[in-house]
Amino acid sequence: NAGVTQTPKFQVLKTGQSMTLQCAQDMNHEYMSWYRQDPGMGLRLIHYSVGAGITDQGEVPNGYNVSRSTTEDFPLRLLSAAPSQTSVYFCASSYKGTGITYEQYFGPGTRLTVT
Amino acid sequence: DQQVKQNSPSLSVQEGRISILNCDYTNSMFDYFLWYKKYPAEGPTFLISISSIKDKNEDGRFTVFLNKSAKHLSLHIVPSQPGDSAVYFCAASRGDYKLSFGAGTTVTVRA
Repeated sequence: NAGVTQTPKFQVLKTGQSMTLQCAQDMNHEYMSWYRQDPGMGLRLIHYSVGAGITDQGEVPNGYNVSRSTTEDFPLRLLSAAPSQTSVYFCASSYKGTGITYEQYFGPGTRLTVT
Repeated sequence: DQQVKQNSPSLSVQEGRISILNCDYTNSMFDYFLWYKKYPAEGPTFLISISSIKDKNEDGRFTVFLNKSAKHLSLHIVPSQPGDSAVYFCAASRGDYKLSFGAGTTVTVRA
C-alpha cells in the first residue's frame, strides 16, 4: 500500500493563479480531510469528506474548494491564490468502523508559496 | 481561538531521561485525544491516543495521562532516544473525525 500520496511536493504560484493539489489514498478509507500547517498555529482543518459525494467545511475553508467523486481521491482547489495561502498542506484519511480511534493517516505534504 | 494549546514551543532533554510534553484544552466536549509526531518534510504520524473515559494509556516508552477536571493531558517519553527528536502535536476530537490540533512542541534529545 502506498498509503496517502500528495502531488506536487512543492509549488510556487503568483497571486491570482489557480491550481489543484492532488491527494489519493489506497486504503479504502471513507474519511478524508485537508489541513494547512502554519508556524505557531498547528494544523487547521480546511475541508473534509465522510464519503464519496459528501464534503463539508472545516475551520478555514475560504479560498478553497473540494470535491469527492471517488473514495480514493480528494483534490483541493485554490480558486485565486493569495499570499495568505502560503503554507504546507496535508491530506489525511481515516476509516470508519467499530472501535474507532479517530487515528488519521497523513500524506507527506505539499509546500505552497504564493508570491 | 485555539481550543487546544501547547504552551511550550520547545523542549530539550538528555538522552535516557524523561520527556514530558503538556497540552491543555478548553472545549469540554472533546472526548478523544491523540498525539502525533512529525519529522521535517514528512507528514504527521499517529503516536498514541486516549479516550476521555480513561486517565492513562501506555504504549511502550510512551504514556499519555489525561486530567479531565483540569482539561489537561501530558505525554511522557521514557527513556528519551535521539530518534524521538521531532515536533509533537496534541489533537482532540468531539467524537467525530474532525481533529483540533495544538501548535506543536519541538523536542530535541541531546546525546
